[in-house]
Amino acid sequence: QVQLEESGPGLVKPSETLSLTCTVSGGSIGSHFWNWIRQPPGKGLEWIGNIDSRGATSHNPSLKSRVTISEDTSKNHFSLKLSSVTAADTAVYYCARSFYYDGGFDYWGQGTLVTVSP
Amino acid sequence: NFMLTQPHSVSESPGKTATISCTRSSGSIASNYVHWYQQRPGIAPTIVIYEDNQRPSGVPDRFSGSIDSSSNSASLTISGLKTEDEADYYCQSYDSSSAVFGGGTHLTVL
Repeated sequence: QVQLEESGPGLVKPSETLSLTCTVSGGSIGSHFWNWIRQPPGKGLEWIGNIDSRGATSHNPSLKSRVTISEDTSKNHFSLKLSSVTAADTAVYYCARSFYYDGGFDYWGQGTLVTVSP
Repeated sequence: NFMLTQPHSVSESPGKTATISCTRSSGSIASNYVHWYQQRPGIAPTIVIYEDNQRPSGVPDRFSGSIDSSSNSASLTISGLKTEDEADYYCQSYDSSSAVFGGGTHLTVL
């Protein structure tokens, strides 16, 4: 059973960089696609981007210039950095797996709330 | 780029059938698979339909999915509604290599 767990600071100051890590157990990040998805309070889901088994990344065009996704296969985790954050970036951030490039998200982390505030 | 449009809310009685639509704004709905997620308050979404009409193991057969090229939309149908089906539902597809979510539909069962 694949399990994902997000970790990182719950509070980030405006203009700084949000950094999160997703640790995967029960499966290898050397296969499939690994995604970041967020959900502002009371709103819908927004895909941020992903990284595949070759280390290639794709990003939401609306966020692309601020997003960096990387992986550490030795630790079986992948990470998100979102730069120049504002209050609009306050959200629950989820990591999730998709089995193939246009597959559904079949495994999700429990989510972590990141608040952007001075 | 395209958008996926869902009704904001749907309401139906227990035992009845609810259908949630997801309309693609441009391009063919059949161009990329549509997946559906259920999200209960405070919990991460779970997939209930993948590849337009496939049900993951553990999802009741009361849940079904379909696509309709004539209306360029996908639908999630839940039959024999139970109060536990009350949740938010999201459709999702892909535009090139980017995932796109619908805005979500709140299903009320009462």
